[in-house]
Amino acid sequence: DAKTTQPNSMESNEEEPVHLPCNHSTISGTDYIHWYRQLPSQGPEYVIHGLTSNVNNRMASLAIAEDRKSSTLILHRATLRDAAVYYCILSSSGVGSNYKLTFGKGTLLTVNP
Amino acid sequence: EAGVVQSPRYKIIEKKQPVAFWCNPISGHNTLYWYLQNLGQGPELLIRYENEEAVDDSQLPKDRFSAERLKGVDSTLKIQPAELGDSAVYLCASSLETNYEQYFGPGTRLTVT
Repeated sequence: DAKTTQPNSMESNEEEPVHLPCNHSTISGTDYIHWYRQLPSQGPEYVIHGLTSNVNNRMASLAIAEDRKSSTLILHRATLRDAAVYYCILSSSGVGSNYKLTFGKGTLLTVNP
Repeated sequence: EAGVVQSPRYKIIEKKQPVAFWCNPISGHNTLYWYLQNLGQGPELLIRYENEEAVDDSQLPKDRFSAERLKGVDSTLKIQPAELGDSAVYLCASSLETNYEQYFGPGTRLTVT
């Protein structure tokens, strides 16, 4: 499985944008990029996913580099409720793949009031 | 819509005792997952069901762990006998189909003494 690299931790201030980076230099053409987050004492929560084009939803935006070797999760206005561990995950969608999500350690985001 | 339900939320047992966890997925979700999460780590997949069939159990320690998903709805995960190293959070997740976003339950925190 292709691996991702994320910073261990990041800090932001409330109501400011947050850019969470993820490197995935060994990504293959059929790998989707997923982002999940885990709030304290809860199970992970789906945030967004994409393949090649940038994606937007009500929670966040996903910016994917043209070569797909990196991506950035963008929270447009951080709130205290966004404090969580953010996981960047690749899953294969090619023939014979099992769509498995392999979680790393993620990035612990702290939001300061 | 109700989310993924897990019980119990917390369990403390002595080593060598058996323990069972129960999961009720979101209605209509065909795929069910059991994950193990150690402190400070991301979740690790133990087993994935598509309806009643366990299609990926390669990470399940079969000498002491077992799982079942009768009638393709609820699922139970059992450990017998439990060891000290089994102390962790056990997460259940479900998705509409295998390659769709996963919805996680709150998890069961197991402490083996």
